[in-house]
Amino acid sequence: EPEVTQTPSHQVTQMGQEVILRCVPISNHLYFYWYRQILGQKVEFLVSFYNNEISEKSEIFDDQFSVERPDGSNFTLKIRSTKLEDSAMYFCAGKGETSGGEQFFGPGTRLTVL
Amino acid sequence: TQLLEQSPQFLSIQEGENLTVYCNSSSVFSSLQWYRQEPGEGPVLLVTVVTGGEVKKLKRLTFQFGDARKDSSLHITAAQPGDTGLYLCAGDDWNNAGNMLTFGGGTRLMVKP
Repeated sequence: EPEVTQTPSHQVTQMGQEVILRCVPISNHLYFYWYRQILGQKVEFLVSFYNNEISEKSEIFDDQFSVERPDGSNFTLKIRSTKLEDSAMYFCAGKGETSGGEQFFGPGTRLTVL
Repeated sequence: TQLLEQSPQFLSIQEGENLTVYCNSSSVFSSLQWYRQEPGEGPVLLVTVVTGGEVKKLKRLTFQFGDARKDSSLHITAAQPGDTGLYLCAGDDWNNAGNMLTFGGGTRLMVKP
């Protein structure tokens, strides 16, 4: 059964450094998402991406964040200058052309900012 | 801003007992998803309910979407230790261009043998 993959599984970085989190969504999905989950808190929406452009973004997704789907298979989240409060699990998700909201999540990347 | 409240937050029961987890909102959702999440992993989709009043069964798990599409419940019959985990509800609103999911805070279930 196809599944969403994410790399790396764990990323440790220094405050102020740039990080790129990578995702390979399920091949027939059309909508792509990034969510984050700070330890012990709710899963929070960051951004949605459809037809090669951002369709919606949350207040969390400020100018330090960007997303790309450079080659039709990878979907990346870049944080330009990381802050301590960016430490969290980051999940990529995808959705096909279905009537429901069912999104399929990757295993996540644990980002630790020191 | 749409909010989903889950209750209870924690539930510890003996094997064989039944339980119900609730997911409530003042907002209407186009659909409601239930996920299960293991520590350090991503949420795994269990079910999607779309129609008000809809009931779906997955072995010992029964999911219901409220008539007004504002609430949902997950009922587990004869719980087993393998059911232990974090259960999340997440609502989708088609009025949002991106079809983002709004998550509840989760119910952490422990089933003791």
